[in-house]
Amino acid sequence: EVQLVESGGGLVQPGGSLRLSCAASGFTFSDHYMDWVRQAPGKGLEWVGRIRKTTHSYTTEYAASVKGRFTISRDDSRNSLYLQMNGLQTEDTAVYYCARVLGTTWHDHCLDYWGQGNLVTVSS
Amino acid sequence: IQLTQSPSSLSASVGDRVTVTCRASQGINSYLAWFQQKPGKAPKLLIYDASTLQSGVPSRFSGSGSGTDFTLTISSLQPEDFATYYCQQLNDYPLTFGGGTKVEI
Repeated sequence: EVQLVESGGGLVQPGGSLRLSCAASGFTFSDHYMDWVRQAPGKGLEWVGRIRKTTHSYTTEYAASVKGRFTISRDDSRNSLYLQMNGLQTEDTAVYYCARVLGTTWHDHCLDYWGQGNLVTVSS
Repeated sequence: IQLTQSPSSLSASVGDRVTVTCRASQGINSYLAWFQQKPGKAPKLLIYDASTLQSGVPSRFSGSGSGTDFTLTISSLQPEDFATYYCQQLNDYPLTFGGGTKVEI
């Protein structure tokens, strides 16, 4: 059974940093791209970014709203995905989801499994 | 790429046929996915590549469209289908979601 479990969320002051983790199990983690998606309270979904797999050089993509502040990384030996968030702003307050990417072609690089989400609150 | 979903909410009854639309600000081929989200839960993939049903999703869900205009159809609404539905374009980075359509009783 595919499982994705996020951790590391909590309350942080504006300008602060936080690192989210996502522990994966039930599939071959190294074979999949992985994404982060967030959802502000009462709002819609916002894609945060992606990290590709080793055969695609672990390259990354980011939303404009987080580029330069957030960094996605992975440790395939630990089946883990990370989101390093620096320079946090109040508008970064959201539930953060990690998600597995189904395939690598344009037809199927969609998000087929999601974690339960982890709340990050940025407030003084 | 901007995605505009309509309507933003709708009221329907069990057994109704429901259609949600998603319009892209530029052509995105067939690279569109649909998700269902219930309160307090993670989104669930329903359809990808505009019309491919994800494994395990009931056949009352279907998707169609290409280019800029897409639809999600629920042929006979069931009690468990009351939720919010989102489209997501996969044609270009940054990937983007539509604003959501809330299906209410």
